[in-house]
Amino acid sequence: DTGVSQDPRHKITKRGQNVTFRCDPISEHNRLYWYRQTLGQGPEFLTYFQNEAQLEKSRLLSNRFSAERPKGSFSTLEIQRTEQGDSAMYLCASSLGQGIQYFGPGTRLLVL
Amino acid sequence: LAKTTQPVSMDSYEGQEVNITCSHNNIATNDYITWYQQFPSQGPRFIIQGYKTKVTNEVASLFIPADRKSSTLSLPRVSLSDTAVYYCLVGAFNYGGSQGNLIFGKGTKLSVKP
Repeated sequence: DTGVSQDPRHKITKRGQNVTFRCDPISEHNRLYWYRQTLGQGPEFLTYFQNEAQLEKSRLLSNRFSAERPKGSFSTLEIQRTEQGDSAMYLCASSLGQGIQYFGPGTRLLVL
Repeated sequence: LAKTTQPVSMDSYEGQEVNITCSHNNIATNDYITWYQQFPSQGPRFIIQGYKTKVTNEVASLFIPADRKSSTLSLPRVSLSDTAVYYCLVGAFNYGGSQGNLIFGKGTKLSVKP
């Protein structure tokens, strides 16, 4: 399978804990995006990378969130001191330049 | 990115053709129109993209009138497995700008009944 992959698919954590998600994009894609989706809503943009450079961040990305793409390949999204409001599906997408974005299956986070 | 308006929900029956219309009155010259499909607990899946007139692939057709202020996604002979949320987006997907994020609305929830 050469699509976008995300790990883990599900994560349950207690409030105040830190969590980290991983995204592996389609291999030749230089852009990688993170989105968050809550129930009944469309995905909301969080941030994106072109190669290893983080080019844009949404205001949704509070200082408890950090994303990296150290070698321009896979990316990680970390949430520190999780809150119940962080419960959502976290989606990763990749594209070649500003072409069509292909999404991964998502990581569903539940904060208790 | 231009704002889009699409119906909240639609019902259909198996074997029927479904047309979902999206309004995008403020579409810019460089904007393309893209549709995604999303099943519960999965990421959105790209369906089709177009700029003007008509585009067809193995899954759907996209009709865009000359003024480009709206577009219609056509799904031929739907089946139960086409039950999903469909999102219409417009943006300069093929333009060399710096902004790359997609702005999703709430989409259209299509329910296909037997």
